[in-house]
Amino acid sequence: KQEVTQIPAALSVPEGENLVLNCSFTDSAIYNLQWFRQDPGKGLTSLLLIQSSQREQTSGRLNASLDKSSGRSTLYIAASQPGDSATYLCAVSMFRGGATNKLIFGTGTLLAVQP
Amino acid sequence: GAGVSQSPSNKVTEKGKDVELRCDPISGHTALYWYRQSLGQGLEFLIYFQGNSAPDKSGLPSDRFSAERTGGSVSTLTIQRTQQEDSAVYLCASSARQGPSDEQFFGPGTRLTVL
Repeated sequence: KQEVTQIPAALSVPEGENLVLNCSFTDSAIYNLQWFRQDPGKGLTSLLLIQSSQREQTSGRLNASLDKSSGRSTLYIAASQPGDSATYLCAVSMFRGGATNKLIFGTGTLLAVQP
Repeated sequence: GAGVSQSPSNKVTEKGKDVELRCDPISGHTALYWYRQSLGQGLEFLIYFQGNSAPDKSGLPSDRFSAERTGGSVSTLTIQRTQQEDSAVYLCASSARQGPSDEQFFGPGTRLTVL
């Protein structure tokens, strides 16, 4: 059974710092991995999707890497801003042709960027 | 363009009552997912619809939960005889199902409180 873990559970940093969020998964046979952010009382906003054949994806100040063999992904946030404060969730897909592409989520990292 | 929408945004009900939650996916998306986010369990998959195929109901926690998708678009999640443990945020997502780049987009959720 796939299990997804995120560390740390919570992180507080001063504005401007670069930071790394970690995600690990127990079954390396994933289809893809998505990073989301969730603001309090809101739904999920998709940040980056990494296909299983890819090593990394970049969007603005965000860079996500994937090491499938070791079951790890990292989300790197450069020059953090108070507006980055949110809960960050990673999720993996175990889709096998014809099967459900349901996502299995980690427990999230609560990020607070102090002005 | 319009994203995934859900209604109502909040629902308070009494134990034993039935509730219906609605999801409008992104136009043209063939896949639709329901997830539940609760304090003790994190984010869990409930049910999946893809075109005219039989839905994947493997995540539904009990037979009090059911869902349908009419005309390949709008979906309704129904919970009968609600219990306090059903209190959670119910999230809907849709995707275009285009292979490994299949990205799921989430709605804002419905917060259900069972008194």
